[in-house]
Parts: sequence; C-alpha cells; structure tokens
Amino acid sequence: EAGVAQSPRYKIIEKRQSVAFWCNPISGHATLYWYQQILGQGPKLLIQFQNNGVVDDSQLPKDRFSAERLKGVDSTLKIQPAKLEDSAVYLCASSQTQGTEQYFGPGTRLTVT
Amino acid sequence: AQSVTQPDIHITVSEGASLELRCNYSYGATPYLFWYVQSPGQGLQLLLKYFSGDTLVQGIKGFEAEFKRSQSSFNLRKPSVHWSDAAEYFCAVAKPGGGADGLTFGKGTHLIIQP
Repeated sequence: EAGVAQSPRYKIIEKRQSVAFWCNPISGHATLYWYQQILGQGPKLLIQFQNNGVVDDSQLPKDRFSAERLKGVDSTLKIQPAKLEDSAVYLCASSQTQGTEQYFGPGTRLTVT
Repeated sequence: AQSVTQPDIHITVSEGASLELRCNYSYGATPYLFWYVQSPGQGLQLLLKYFSGDTLVQGIKGFEAEFKRSQSSFNLRKPSVHWSDAAEYFCAVAKPGGGADGLTFGKGTHLIIQP
C-alpha cells in the first residue's frame, strides 16, 4: 500500500513570495490533515478535511495560509505572502476516517529567506 | 485547551539499558493518546496508541506505554534500547470519538544512545 505522498520535498523562497505544497493521501482515506513543524517543536495542526469539507481550521493563519481539497482526494496548502517565521516542515497526514490512526507523509521542508 | 508536556528535552541512555520517556497531558476527559517516533529525514511513525481498555499498551519495536488517569500521564518504556532507537519521540493527544480530532503534540524528547 502506497503511503502519503508530498511534493516538493524541499523549497526555498524569499519572504513575501508565495508557495504551494501538494499532498496525495493513502487511497480511500477520507480524512486529511496538514501540520506545521517548526524546528525543535512538535507538529501543530493547521487544518483538517473530511472528504472535501473543512472540519477544523482554527489554527490556520487565514490571512496568509489557504488550503483546499476540491475532489476529496489530493490537497494543496498555499502560503501567500510568506514570512520568515513560516520556515518549517509541512506535514500531511491521512486517516481512513475521523477517530482512526493517522499516517504521515515525509513532509516538505520550507526555508524562507 | 488540550496540551501535552514532555518534560525531558534530551535523554541519554546506554545501549542495552532500559528507557522511560515521560508524557503528561491536560484535557477535560480522557483523550486518545499516542506516541510517535521521528528519525532524521523520516516521517512520523506511530509506535502505539491508547483509546480505551487495558491501560498497558504494547507497540511496535518493543515499546510499551502505560496510561495512568490519576496522574494524567502516558509514559513510554522499553526494557532494552538499541542504537537504532536514537530519534525524536513525540507524545500526542486527540479528542476521542472523531470529529475535529487533529493531534496535539508535545515538544518532543530527543533520545541519544551511548555505545
């Protein structure tokens, strides 16, 4: 069974630029999560989708971050414009449905200069 | 709001020695509890989870954890560590029963194995 796929694996941008990350969850998984992991800290939930609907985006900085899962499968997370403090690893996870084990992708490491 | 505390930022253990990593949580009820491991350049891997029932949970790679409701703790243990266990370990909680069940993680404990 293929795992959660993410791309790109690494991205370097200048502040005020925009960037997008892509996630392909495990086939059949209805729930998808995006987490931000700043160096030296644990991951922090940004947004949770159930199919193509948002379940929880309470910690998403909506002035600059956006995410979508239009067809209930792949998801993209966008930052526009980026700030230095957005430098982090962005992790995508999926689960069969709410309340079940989450499987994490390898992450995208973003460096904002 | 829920929170997770991992009081030890770094722990150094000799290979073959026993290990205990501490985790305390703050939550209104009993949450779902998890331990994840993250090796350099690797994604997060689930070691074990507690949803309900037996408070001693067995996981992969010889790890176990014990849920103690009275202490709001979920400590991770291993009787004999191997050099390959060197990694970052995260304790996490989630709201039980589905819905908005994103994980809340602790800051992690960095495990160093001495030969």
